[in-house]
Order: sequence, then structure tokens, then C-alpha cells
Amino acid sequence: QSVLTQPPSASGTPGQRVTISCSGSTSNIGRNTVNWYQQLPGTVPKLLIYSNTQRPSGVPDRFSGSKSGTSGSLAIGGLQSEDEADYYCAAWDDSLKGWVFGGGTKLTVL
Amino acid sequence: QVQLQQSGPGLVKPSQTLSLTCAISGDSVSSNNGAWNWIRQSPWRGLEWLGRTYYRSKWHTDYAVSMKSRITIKPDTSKNQFSLQLNSVTPDDTAIYYCSTKDGDYWGQGTLVTVSS
Repeated sequence: QSVLTQPPSASGTPGQRVTISCSGSTSNIGRNTVNWYQQLPGTVPKLLIYSNTQRPSGVPDRFSGSKSGTSGSLAIGGLQSEDEADYYCAAWDDSLKGWVFGGGTKLTVL
Repeated sequence: QVQLQQSGPGLVKPSQTLSLTCAISGDSVSSNNGAWNWIRQSPWRGLEWLGRTYYRSKWHTDYAVSMKSRITIKPDTSKNQFSLQLNSVTPDDTAIYYCSTKDGDYWGQGTLVTVSS
């Protein structure tokens, strides 16, 4: 059971916009920022969004993040087949004094 | 550009110690704004943060509560690397182990560690 809660799956058709949620609590997302990672099949996780909304260099602006209260969201616009991957949220937890992750959302592009 | 290169055995016997090393290039393990994580991933646990070490005028380590009695993470400034030791392993510790930078902007290549006799 992961500390952060994500839907196990999401799907969309090419060109669509998809949103993935990440629900936490006051000790993690409520007090700290959210990161999002993309993991393509058989590869290392890649940082997609940091500090709730910031994109590292090279990440397309189709990917955007937001946070409200104890929840974060990742939105992917203009869905492409290469976006098919697992997506994970993460945040520092002040009570556990460590990073906590969501269980991951498998995105399928139909 | 930071690069992390992991090394260590891929097979460990139950009750023994898992040892991995992460060599850093492009940054310093002693950086005053860095932090160096160990994370593992398994189908049954997903991504799990194990702990970190970082330098802020002195060395600090934080460990996941579930790991605290079995884990040691140490910096090695002479080789610009950091290490993970996990004692008394069981098959449940079988996972891909990763090292990463503070926010996970850079990751090692991953090491599949299997705990089996």
C-alpha cells in the first residue's frame, strides 16, 4: 500500500488530454512539493515535473503539473503513442522523514 | 551533466549483506546543495525510497523507517561515490536498486539484486 494514491491505469486516444491524480496527506503533499516521473518499459524513471509545476530542460510543454491542498495532478496534452508508460508521483513526507511514492499509473494510448 | 554509475553483485544469499556503490561524475558527493538517494523497485512494492546522505557543513543520513535497523548509506569523498549496505536480506529484498540525485533528476542504471540461495 503506497503512501500516495494514484489510479492504477489511465488511457486516451492520440491527441487527447489525460490527467493523472495523486492523493496524499498534510504530512507530504500538504506541506511539500510534488515530483512526477515517467518510466518507459524497461527503462530508468525519468523526472518529468518537479516542484509541482516545473519541467526539467527537454521535457515537452505538453506535460504540466499542478497541486491543490493534499493532491497533485499531472496533465498530458496532445497524447502521443510514445507517452505510453508508467507515471509515478513523489513527495517528501515530514512525518516519515523520507520520500514517499505513489503506486504508479499505467497510461495506455489507444 | 551528472552521471551515476552503479556497481555491485546481482545475487545475494539470504541472511547476508547486500552492498552496492554509486560513483558520481559531474558533481561532488560533498556538494552543499546535493543529496544522494537509494531507491528500489519491485513488482510487489513499487518504487520505495530507502535513504539518503548529504553534506551541509557536516554529513547527514536519513533512512526509511522500514529499513532503519538494517541499512547503512555512506559517502566516500576520496572516490566521489556513496554506498548502500542492507543487512540480513530475505527474498523480499529482491528488487532493482537505483541511486539517484536529490530530486531524482539523475538516476543510476539500476542493479537487479536477487536474494536467493
